[in-house]
Amino acid sequence: GAGVSQSPSNKVTEKGKDVELRCDPISGHTALYWYRQSLGQGLEFLIYFQGNSAPDKSGLPSDRFSAERTGGSVSTLTIQRTQQEDSAVYLCASSPRGPSYEQYFGPGTRLTVT
Amino acid sequence: AQTVTQSQPEMSVQEAETVTLSCTYDTSESNYYLFWYKQPPSRQMILVIRQEAYKQQNATENRFSVNFQKAAKSFSLKISDSQLGDTAMYFCAFKVDGGSQGNLIFGKGTKLSVKP
Repeated sequence: GAGVSQSPSNKVTEKGKDVELRCDPISGHTALYWYRQSLGQGLEFLIYFQGNSAPDKSGLPSDRFSAERTGGSVSTLTIQRTQQEDSAVYLCASSPRGPSYEQYFGPGTRLTVT
Repeated sequence: AQTVTQSQPEMSVQEAETVTLSCTYDTSESNYYLFWYKQPPSRQMILVIRQEAYKQQNATENRFSVNFQKAAKSFSLKISDSQLGDTAMYFCAFKVDGGSQGNLIFGKGTKLSVKP
């Protein structure tokens, strides 16, 4: 079946602009995660959605970052007033149920802030 | 807080040989999962192998096996009969069993190059 998809694949933006990154999880997966992968670093957790529960935002690095998940499916990660340090690959993952299940990753969005 | 450490930023191996990637972690939890993910240049993170902490038997998936030493908090990955397609970044990851979060905690990765 279809895996996790993300769009756009690559995004170049000017410093100070807002960007939206999209994630389509695997159908039926109730858990959705966003991670950030900076150059030479491992993946850093950003936010976690589980069903209709309030999201766990504990990993968001600043209030410029926000995310929503509509209808328990598609998720959008928004970065306002982008800074150069926001340049990274943003990865989305979904999981069939809650925290104990394996996560399946999308191909990521490479964000470059100039 | 949990941490994952991969002490080898880069490694190389000849095709058909065996290589071991190291991973150590720190946690006060008793129930957790450990994973090795592979990330080729395509950026797609692919699960290689997983280990439940309560299982004493080391996990094996074809050419991939782990050496899980719970007391030492060590979780190394052995790749046998290395193939050119194994060239990738390899990430060790940790997840608490249950709980309200479930996010993976990753090491910084090891870049593996398989040479012909």
